[in-house]
Amino acid sequence: ILNVEQSPQSLHVQEGDSTNFTCSFPSSNFYALHWYRWETAKSPEALFVMTLNGDEKKKGRISATLNTKEGYSYLYIKGSQPEDSATYLCALNYGGATNKLIFGTGTLLAVQP
Amino acid sequence: DTGVSQDPRHKITKRGQNVTFRCDPISEHNRLYWYRQTLGQGPEFLTYFQNEAQLEKSRLLSDRFSAERPKGSFSTLEIQRTEQGDSAMYLCASSAGTGGPGELFFGEGSRLTVL
Repeated sequence: ILNVEQSPQSLHVQEGDSTNFTCSFPSSNFYALHWYRWETAKSPEALFVMTLNGDEKKKGRISATLNTKEGYSYLYIKGSQPEDSATYLCALNYGGATNKLIFGTGTLLAVQP
Repeated sequence: DTGVSQDPRHKITKRGQNVTFRCDPISEHNRLYWYRQTLGQGPEFLTYFQNEAQLEKSRLLSDRFSAERPKGSFSTLEIQRTEQGDSAMYLCASSAGTGGPGELFFGEGSRLTVL
């Protein structure tokens, strides 16, 4: 069974705090890892697509790392802002013709002003 | 470019009724996916189209579910004889078929409530 696990399930932080989430997955047959941000009443939005072991990507205050050998990825948010409040989804692509994604259950982040 | 659009955004129906959702992908994208998200879960893959061809269907997609993508543009997802367990958010996504692990572009979803 291909299972993607995310922790924590939810997180409440104060504005200005830095935070991080974990995504863990079976490392066999890995092809790519995606991070999405899903704000309430909006569509999930891609943050990063990562393919190589040791990959580090950054977009503004958000960054992500990938370890395919041990099967985990971290997402970091530096200096959280209320507009960062959303569900952060990790998804694995194990390859194949369809490139379908297997999602984790997400981490719900609430940033209080 | 208006992104991926889905219609309707919300649908409330009685058990046993049929419902149909529509997805309009980004125009130049030839890959189209349907996912379903239930409370407390991440999105689960339902089916995939490359152009007009439906190339994969999940075992989650019972015979009450049917999806089409005529002419390789918009797609419809129909659920016949709805059951309360069908209540979920139905998400459509599209991507460019360049062969690599490209990001998916999602619509805002169609939320179904079956009473």
